[in-house]
Amino acid sequence: EPEVTQTPSHQVTQMGQEVILRCVPISNHLYFYWYRQILGQKVEFLVSFYNNEISEKSEIFDDQFSVERPDGSNFTLKIRSTKLEDSAMYFCASSLGSSGSYEQYFGPGTRLTVT
Amino acid sequence: AQSVAQPEDQVNVAEGNPLTVKCTYSVSGNPYLFWYVQYPNRGLQFLLKYITGDNLVKGSYGFEAEFNKSQTSFHLKKPSALVSDSALYFCAVRPPNTDKLIFGTGTRLQVFP
Repeated sequence: EPEVTQTPSHQVTQMGQEVILRCVPISNHLYFYWYRQILGQKVEFLVSFYNNEISEKSEIFDDQFSVERPDGSNFTLKIRSTKLEDSAMYFCASSLGSSGSYEQYFGPGTRLTVT
Repeated sequence: AQSVAQPEDQVNVAEGNPLTVKCTYSVSGNPYLFWYVQYPNRGLQFLLKYITGDNLVKGSYGFEAEFNKSQTSFHLKKPSALVSDSALYFCAVRPPNTDKLIFGTGTRLQVFP
């Protein structure tokens, strides 16, 4: 069964550094998402992406964040200057369509630790 | 504010007994409703969804969920629990005209032999 994959599984970085989290969505999916979960808190939506454009973003997704689909398979989340409060589990997801009837398939997550 | 509540942090049930994991939501309009399960070191795995129609929906691994519009609930159920069902379960809601899923805090299900 096709799966969403994410690399790395764990990333440790120093405050102020840039990080790029990578995801490979399911191959025939067209819609891509990033969520995050701060330890002990709910999973929160960050951004959705379709046709090389952001289609929706949350208030969390400020100018420090960016997303990109650099080629036909990868989907990345970049944090330009990490802060301590960016420490979280980051989940990538993809779906076949954008309608709410299409479920989103999640990757295993990247645990980001900012020191 | 739109929200999803899972009132139980943990549910304990003996193997073979029925289980229920509760979820209520506060979202305007007619949202789409989902259940996901998370096993250790794995991503959120889709279990089932309610879009429209029959209030009882069936999903993977023998799970089902009952939608109740008047109570704005979407409880997850299984007639006979297995030890292998032990995991973290998340209820999620997708409001109309939005891409995002709004998640509950998760409920840890522990099935004892």
